[in-house]
Amino acid sequence: AQKVTQAQTEISVVEKEDVTLDCVYETRDTTYYLFWYKQPPSGELVFLIRRNSFDEQNEISGRYSWNFQKSTSSFNFTITASQVVDSAVYFCALSWLNNAGNMLTFGGGTRLMVKP
Amino acid sequence: KAGVTQTPRYLIKTRGQQVTLSCSPISGHRSVSWYQQTPGQGLQFLFEYFSETQRNKGNFPGRFSGRQFSNSRSEMNVSTLELGDSALYLCASSLVGGAAGAVYEQYFGPGTRLTVT
Repeated sequence: AQKVTQAQTEISVVEKEDVTLDCVYETRDTTYYLFWYKQPPSGELVFLIRRNSFDEQNEISGRYSWNFQKSTSSFNFTITASQVVDSAVYFCALSWLNNAGNMLTFGGGTRLMVKP
Repeated sequence: KAGVTQTPRYLIKTRGQQVTLSCSPISGHRSVSWYQQTPGQGLQFLFEYFSETQRNKGNFPGRFSGRQFSNSRSEMNVSTLELGDSALYLCASSLVGGAAGAVYEQYFGPGTRLTVT
């Protein structure tokens, strides 16, 4: 069974703090894909990153960075020097090559509140 | 490129009625997926369409159905509405992997917020 767990339901930080959002996944497939999405108060899910199971390189994009570790089945997301505009719900999601389609399994989401 | 569009954005229906939601994917995207988001169940996959065929279906009752047209636009229908169907319905579109296979990221529309009274 495919499963994504985001243990942190809510995190509150003060602006300029670094924050890490945890994501742990379960899958029996050897080829799978992991994603992060941001859902601001407007409601639309915004794509942040896609990573396949064969690429364990960490990625940095501006203040955002992702740490993928297959050994611990984790795909954590770090925001450096957080800003109020980062306040949103963040979802980690999993898909796999043999699901005959494009189904995403989402974690429960982490609500991040960045206070000025 | 224009993003994924969904109509209507808001809808209020009465229990027992039916509803049709519409989604226009990003140009060139042939896969369209639908998700239901509720505070209690989170984001749940409903179904996915590609080339006018349903490729995948989530664990929802038969009251939930969908279709895709030749221009990749998609509709979903919920019949005999129940109070528990109140939710944000999100449509997403993506490219489709080639012969070597790949799963591409999905781009989401703004959603249709359905309230059933």
